[in-house]
Amino acid sequence: IAGITQAPTSQILAAGRRMTLRCTQDMRHNAMYWYRQDLGLGLRLIHYSNTAGTTGKGEVPDGYSVSRANTDDFPLTLASAVPSQTSVYFCASSDSKVGTDTQYFGPGTRLTVL
Amino acid sequence: AQSVSQHNHHVILSEAASLELGCNYSYGGTVNLFWYVQFPGQHLKLLLKYFSGDPLVKGIKGFEAEFIKSKFSFNLRKPSVQWSDTAEYFCAVNAQGGNKLVFGAGTILRVKS
Repeated sequence: IAGITQAPTSQILAAGRRMTLRCTQDMRHNAMYWYRQDLGLGLRLIHYSNTAGTTGKGEVPDGYSVSRANTDDFPLTLASAVPSQTSVYFCASSDSKVGTDTQYFGPGTRLTVL
Repeated sequence: AQSVSQHNHHVILSEAASLELGCNYSYGGTVNLFWYVQFPGQHLKLLLKYFSGDPLVKGIKGFEAEFIKSKFSFNLRKPSVQWSDTAEYFCAVNAQGGNKLVFGAGTILRVKS
């Protein structure tokens, strides 16, 4: 069982370009999340999805969009990348939207926007 | 809005020293509390969590944390650290009934052998 996979592992992107970060889980978890990790700020929630077909905004959603067409996949799109979106992006999932559920994290995507 | 404060960004200890990492949160209601750890080159993973019952919870690798409601704290402890405990540690909280985690800034622990 792979758990959560993310692609690409790392990417350098020119400002203004469109980029989609991919996230797939094989645990049949209902809830999925995208976080960004920045030094000194910890992880901040960008978007989440409590079940396939629904999404919601987290703490820092501006400049990002997500979709949840099925249970397994939760791609994150930067429509027009800006340097402030340089970060490490983590996808996570949990069995349900219940707050006591453990969130399981992927390996991360390191994105640099120049 | 909820926030989580971790008191130290960097901690350096020698092997066998005792560890306590501070975590305070700002939220007046009932919360679920978590400590996550990121070992070098590995995924972020759960160390321990508290949501009800005994306020002293035990996790993997001999770690424990105590929830003190009156102090809005959830400090992480380990009596004797090992070199392999070198990692970054994150405290996180969500409001009970919700699943959106708010993380602290993290504490990088380096254990010298």
